Amino acid sequence: AQRVTQPEKLLSVFKGAPVELKCNYSYSGSPELFWYVQYSRQRLQLLLRHISRESIKGFTADLNKGETSFHLKKPFAQEEDSAMYYCALAGYSTLTFGKGTMLLVSP
Amino acid sequence: DAGVTQSPTHLIKTRGQQVTLRCSPISGHKSVSWYQQVLGQGPQFIFQYYEKEERGRGNFPDRFSARQFPNYSSELNVNALLLGDSALYLCASSFKQGAKADTQYFGPGTRLTVL
Repeated sequence: AQRVTQPEKLLSVFKGAPVELKCNYSYSGSPELFWYVQYSRQRLQLLLRHISRESIKGFTADLNKGETSFHLKKPFAQEEDSAMYYCALAGYSTLTFGKGTMLLVSP
Repeated sequence: DAGVTQSPTHLIKTRGQQVTLRCSPISGHKSVSWYQQVLGQGPQFIFQYYEKEERGRGNFPDRFSARQFPNYSSELNVNALLLGDSALYLCASSFKQGAKADTQYFGPGTRLTVL
């Protein structure tokens, strides 16, 4: 069965500090992973997907198949990064989401 | 393009009633998926429709049903509502079938409260 685990409900950092949002997955096939973000009063939107290997808004995520992880990182957090972040794993028809991590960046 | 739209925004029902939620995908998108998001949890997959046929179903009871129309809009129906059905219901659209094949774009959701 597909499973996504985000161990932290809340991550609070100061502006300029590095950020790492953890995501671990369980999947028997070749995984395709995403990070979605939801800013306050906005809809859920795609932040990045691992196959595109892009850096979006300074965020990167590397798929580590050995550790079954897809952690989201940013070297210097900004206040506008404060949001809810969801890691998601794609099956054929479905996206399986983790429970999400709230990132709060304080000035 | 307004993106994925959903109606209504909010809905209050009582136990045992039936509800219909509506979704209009992004123009040109042929796939619509429905998700349920309970407070404090991530979205949970309910259905996927592509080209008007059901292509995937999550672990939800038969009280949940959906359909897709020729214009690719979709309805989600929930019968015999329970208190536990209170949630944000999200619709997502994509051009291709399958979550692996294509990015899913989400609507703002319908907040259902069951009293």
